[in-house]
Amino acid sequence: DTAVSQTPKYLVTQMGNDKSIKCEQNLGHDTMYWYKQDSKKFLKIMFSYNNKELIINETVPNRFSPKSPDKAHLNLHINSLELGDSAVYFCASGRTGGSSPLHFGNGTRLTVT
Amino acid sequence: GIQVEQSPPDLILQEGANSTLRCNFSDSVNNLQWFHQNPWGQLINLFYIPSGTKQNGRLSATTVATERYSLLYISSSQTTDSGVYFCAVVLNKFYFGSGTKLNVKP
Repeated sequence: DTAVSQTPKYLVTQMGNDKSIKCEQNLGHDTMYWYKQDSKKFLKIMFSYNNKELIINETVPNRFSPKSPDKAHLNLHINSLELGDSAVYFCASGRTGGSSPLHFGNGTRLTVT
Repeated sequence: GIQVEQSPPDLILQEGANSTLRCNFSDSVNNLQWFHQNPWGQLINLFYIPSGTKQNGRLSATTVATERYSLLYISSSQTTDSGVYFCAVVLNKFYFGSGTKLNVKP
């Protein structure tokens, strides 16, 4: 019954490794997002997809590559992880243009050692 | 981009007290939403409120779009209200404020 689910919940890895985070929503939304929350709790948009098309790509290193195989899924792959990538990553979904409530997944806490 | 300012940044309440959180934004927007991030990190959508007033239990929100602000009222606060409250405005994309951290003490 979970509306927006993302896995894994925790991710601990070493510098230089590659990792992926998966997100799925069952709300029938057409827009999905990745947000990064730093230690000061600030929420920063990374990417947004609408109907599988990338519509927002903020200033994010090329090491981050999102993929949306269909409207219900949005994954995030991170190459060559760095210490500064440690954060909580949230997936979210909503309708086009923010015209409905935004729903968040429970977050993935990434720790790079 | 749009500037979103929330106040106060930190708030400590005794259980049972009432409070008002404020969100100011710098430009006309399509809508505004309030979120609560609980101590376990979950982000919950509280209100979708482009204008007017809505109530949900002990919480209510009012947005005055023409004056570019929104208020979140918490009445008879409980310890479970603790966490961070975010407002976000929408104009092509979501712009989040930096949040109000609320600590409700028993």
